[in-house]
Amino acid sequence: NAGVMQNPRHLVRRRGQEARLRCSPMKGHSHVYWYRQLPEEGLKFMVYLQKENIIDESGMPKERFSAEFPKEGPSILRIQQVVRGDSAAYFCASSPRVEPYEQYFGPGTRLTVT
Amino acid sequence: KQEVTQIPAALSVPEGENLVLNCSFTDSAIYNLQWFRQDPGKGLTSLLLIQSSQREQTSGRLNASLDKSSGRSTLYIAASQPGDSATYLCADYNNAGNMLTFGGGTRLMVKP
Repeated sequence: NAGVMQNPRHLVRRRGQEARLRCSPMKGHSHVYWYRQLPEEGLKFMVYLQKENIIDESGMPKERFSAEFPKEGPSILRIQQVVRGDSAAYFCASSPRVEPYEQYFGPGTRLTVT
Repeated sequence: KQEVTQIPAALSVPEGENLVLNCSFTDSAIYNLQWFRQDPGKGLTSLLLIQSSQREQTSGRLNASLDKSSGRSTLYIAASQPGDSATYLCADYNNAGNMLTFGGGTRLMVKP
């Protein structure tokens, strides 16, 4: 059973470009979570999704950031018009629908904005 | 708003020493608590998950305890090895079980 997969592992974008980060959950997992780790800071929750639904986006910046988890395919975290402050490691986690809802993390995507 | 604090922020010990990492949280109405390990530039590896009804979990040389009433968890590492050098993170689940709040981590260095 493959773990949570994220791609790309490293992404370089110039200011103003768009970044798309992909996350494929573990087989059988229907819940996906995105977290961000800014340089020298802790991990912070961004958004929680189930298939075709955003359940909690309380940690998402109000502008330029969006997330989706379509019926088919991976979850996508999209950052429009990136700025240098978006440079960070973005981690995806997935969990099954049953308790204790343990989250399993992917290897992360390291975004660098130049 | 839940806050999770880890003390110390960094720790250096000689190989073979037993050590304790501390984690405290402000809201005792947590669902579960999880300890992770993160190596530099890498993802998170889950070490132990303690459900809210449990008081401790053990895996090999690791033992994690949870005291909800005092808002504390500890991770005990026995007979530390250089390969244990990493950042250790604790995180608690909110009472809906769908959001992790992370502490700032303890950066551990075990010297040969």
